[in-house]
Amino acid sequence: SQQGEEDPQALSIQEGENATMNCSYKTSINNLQWYRQNSGRGLVHLILIRSNEREKHSGRLRVTLDTSKKSSSLLITASRAADTASYFCATDASGTYKYIFGTGTRLKVLA
Amino acid sequence: SQTIHQWPATLVQPVGSPLSLECTVEGTSNPNLYWYRQAAGRGLQLLFYSVGIGQISSEVPQNLSASRPQDRQFILSSKKLLLSDSGFYLCAWSHLRNTEAFFGQGTRLTVV
Repeated sequence: SQQGEEDPQALSIQEGENATMNCSYKTSINNLQWYRQNSGRGLVHLILIRSNEREKHSGRLRVTLDTSKKSSSLLITASRAADTASYFCATDASGTYKYIFGTGTRLKVLA
Repeated sequence: SQTIHQWPATLVQPVGSPLSLECTVEGTSNPNLYWYRQAAGRGLQLLFYSVGIGQISSEVPQNLSASRPQDRQFILSSKKLLLSDSGFYLCAWSHLRNTEAFFGQGTRLTVV
């Protein structure tokens, strides 16, 4: 299977703490993306990092990419209860139009 | 602005009945279109994708089929549903390769 893996599967933190999620993938990529899914809803795009980038920031989000290890991490700083959701990484399976999603990390931020 | 519509939001169907889920995109032309299925608490499994009218790529052998009769319309179908077809079905589109994908709100299908 080409599907990636997120780690941890579930994470529970207190409001104000930082949350770190990791993603590993299997194939060469052009870019890696992170998405958020609130329970029972569609996915919302958060950030895209290209294969020639090592780090990218967007507001309270920080994404890193290590193509040699085929891994990425998503850091959410100063978490809020509203950040409670599932987070997925997706890779583009270089040379195709496909988006391959990981298994997701369920984040719960306690107020 | 571009929007994606997916319906119905929920559906309960008996085993052996047919299925038709529809997805339409507004505000763009020639989108890449995708159908994903998500089992409860799990990741997304790519079922079909299409880069143009009548062009369908199937990722996983399924009891399902997809069609793209118009540029911005993507339909997921089954002639006879199985219990294992239950899940959360998501339609998505992207404008170009290697760019972000936009998702519909999903259809929760329960086969009973």
